[in-house]
Amino acid sequence: AQTVTQSQPEMSVQEAETVTLSCTYDTSESDYYLFWYKQPPSRQMILVIRQEAYKQQNATENRFSVNFQKAAKSFSLKISDSQLGDAAMYFCAYRSDQGAGSYQLTFGKGTKLSVIP
Amino acid sequence: NAGVMQNPRHLVRRRGQEARLRCSPMKGHSHVYWYRQLPEEGLKFMVYLQKENIIDESGMPKERFSAEFPKEGPSILRIQQVVRGDSAAYFCASSRALALDADTQYFGPGTRLTVL
Repeated sequence: AQTVTQSQPEMSVQEAETVTLSCTYDTSESDYYLFWYKQPPSRQMILVIRQEAYKQQNATENRFSVNFQKAAKSFSLKISDSQLGDAAMYFCAYRSDQGAGSYQLTFGKGTKLSVIP
Repeated sequence: NAGVMQNPRHLVRRRGQEARLRCSPMKGHSHVYWYRQLPEEGLKFMVYLQKENIIDESGMPKERFSAEFPKEGPSILRIQQVVRGDSAAYFCASSRALALDADTQYFGPGTRLTVL
């Protein structure tokens, strides 16, 4: 079974600065997807960014980018120019791509990000 | 295009009652997933459904929990004879397909169930 580990329960960043959230995962599969979801106080789960394992290029979405190290099974999220609205729980998630069946997401326990004005 | 809709947003039940949670996927989405989030935890997969079919229920407790996604209408997660340990936030997600960029799961706002 796959597992996802987020080793930083809480992080803080000064507004306008850059912060990196860590995520590692364990899998024996070669094809899979990785995601970062954001959960603000409203508790709505919002997709931030996704990465296909077969792509070597790191995904980017505006101020959000990832550092995907497949051999190390590491998938960190970098938030540049942090804004107050970035304050939220951030969850790393894994999804298999091994064929027929379920494509459930396996989540880490989350990192609570605080943004200091 | 409306997002994933869940209702009710908050549900209070007494021990032994039934809880019925509804999820309407995004327009054009035929794949529905249910997840449960306990306090201070990440989301845990419960069940995956397509129209009229349960595809994977490996994350669902064997007793008291059931799910359906009928041909017409929303997906329903039903919890019979609720206990305090069922108190959690229940999230529904939907996707258009399973392949390529159509497989991204979009989440609803969740239903927070409180069992007294």
